[in-house]
Amino acid sequence: EAGVTQFPSHSVIEKGQTVTLRCDPISGHDNLYWYRRVMGKEIKFLLHFVKESKQDESGMPNNRFLAERTGGTYSTLKVQPAELEDSGVYFCASSQVQGANTGELFFGEGSRLTVL
Amino acid sequence: GESVGLHLPTLSVQEGDNSIINCAYSNSASDYFIWYKQESGKGPQFIIDIRSNMDKRQGQRVTVLLNKTVKHLSLQIAATQPGDSAVYFCAENRGGGGGNKLTFGTGTQLKVEL
Repeated sequence: EAGVTQFPSHSVIEKGQTVTLRCDPISGHDNLYWYRRVMGKEIKFLLHFVKESKQDESGMPNNRFLAERTGGTYSTLKVQPAELEDSGVYFCASSQVQGANTGELFFGEGSRLTVL
Repeated sequence: GESVGLHLPTLSVQEGDNSIINCAYSNSASDYFIWYKQESGKGPQFIIDIRSNMDKRQGQRVTVLLNKTVKHLSLQIAATQPGDSAVYFCAENRGGGGGNKLTFGTGTQLKVEL
């Protein structure tokens, strides 16, 4: 069974440009999450989809970030325009069951974003 | 070898020794805790979890201890192997509202020396 896949694995862009990251969750997982790790700091929650609906987007840093999950399958995270502080690794994770204390998330390998 | 919270982000141990990685959490309402292992170039991988109604849980070569009184979590790895070299993150779920919104610690780099 395929795990969570993310694309691209690494993106290098200039400040002010746009980047779109894609995540394909494990098939059948309704819950999809975006997290990011910036500058070697802790991994921080960005948002949570249940199918195509945003369940919690409290971690989105500002309106330069737009996440979508049309059709409830794969998700995209767009950064427009990118700033230097957006550099980091963006992780996607999925889970089958929603709810606290329900077990682990399955993480992708991450998309590393470098903004120059 | 033993690390102390987030102030010692690197832990070096000899192969075969036991490793202890510590984590302090801040929210007394947290009711679920997980340890993740992240190898270079990969995403975090689940190791073991523990609910707040427990104080110890054992897996294969790993044990998680939870001390709610002092809000402290530790991961013990027995007979540490080179393949255990990675960054280890503790994470807490602050409960309520559903979903698996996790709050991660900054991580501890474990280096296994031959």
